[in-house]
Amino acid sequence: DTGVSQDPRHKITKRGQNVTFRCDPISEHNRLYWYRQTLGQGPEFLTYFQNEAQLEKSRLLSDRFSAERPKGSFSTLEIQRTEQGDSAMYLCASSFSGRVDTQYFGPGTRLTVL
Amino acid sequence: AQKVTQAQTEISVVEKEDVTLDCVYETRDTTYYLFWYKQPPSGELVFLIRRNSFDEQNEISGRYSWNFQKSTSSFNFTITASQVVDSAVYFCALSETNAGGTSYGKLTFGQGTILTVHP
Repeated sequence: DTGVSQDPRHKITKRGQNVTFRCDPISEHNRLYWYRQTLGQGPEFLTYFQNEAQLEKSRLLSDRFSAERPKGSFSTLEIQRTEQGDSAMYLCASSFSGRVDTQYFGPGTRLTVL
Repeated sequence: AQKVTQAQTEISVVEKEDVTLDCVYETRDTTYYLFWYKQPPSGELVFLIRRNSFDEQNEISGRYSWNFQKSTSSFNFTITASQVVDSAVYFCALSETNAGGTSYGKLTFGQGTILTVHP
């Protein structure tokens, strides 16, 4: 059983560019989460999907952010017109929506906006 | 709103010492789940333990033990005989549930405690 994978692991971009990250969850997991972690802080929830439905979005997810999970498997997180404040680690997690929902995290994508 | 506080920003110990990481939480729900995750220097969050709010039994797993006290809203984590490989950032997290007791899934994390174990 492979774990959660994320691609790319690192991304450096210039302010104003668009970036897209991909997350592949553990295969039997139907829930997928995105979190953002800045230096010295704990992860902050951004959004989550159950199958292909996006069930909740944080107020942190501005209009420049969009996430999709078109076939209920992998997910993409796109940031348009990046700003320096978007620099962070973007973490993906997956789980199975049983009574107890334990999330397993991927290695993250570190975004640096110059 | 739910909140998790880890008051210890950094802890430094010498190998073989015992160390306790504190976690205090706030929630209006009567049913919830608490978690501890470890984030080693490689960056990937590793799940350590999950507890539900109606089970206050303490748990021991090898050198790790957890003390859940609902009366003080605390869920502390103790490492016995610490080792250099325990050096990492440790996060406490909270997940609320719906009326049926099913976890919402969204985790609220504390700010983390950086543990450094010196040889």
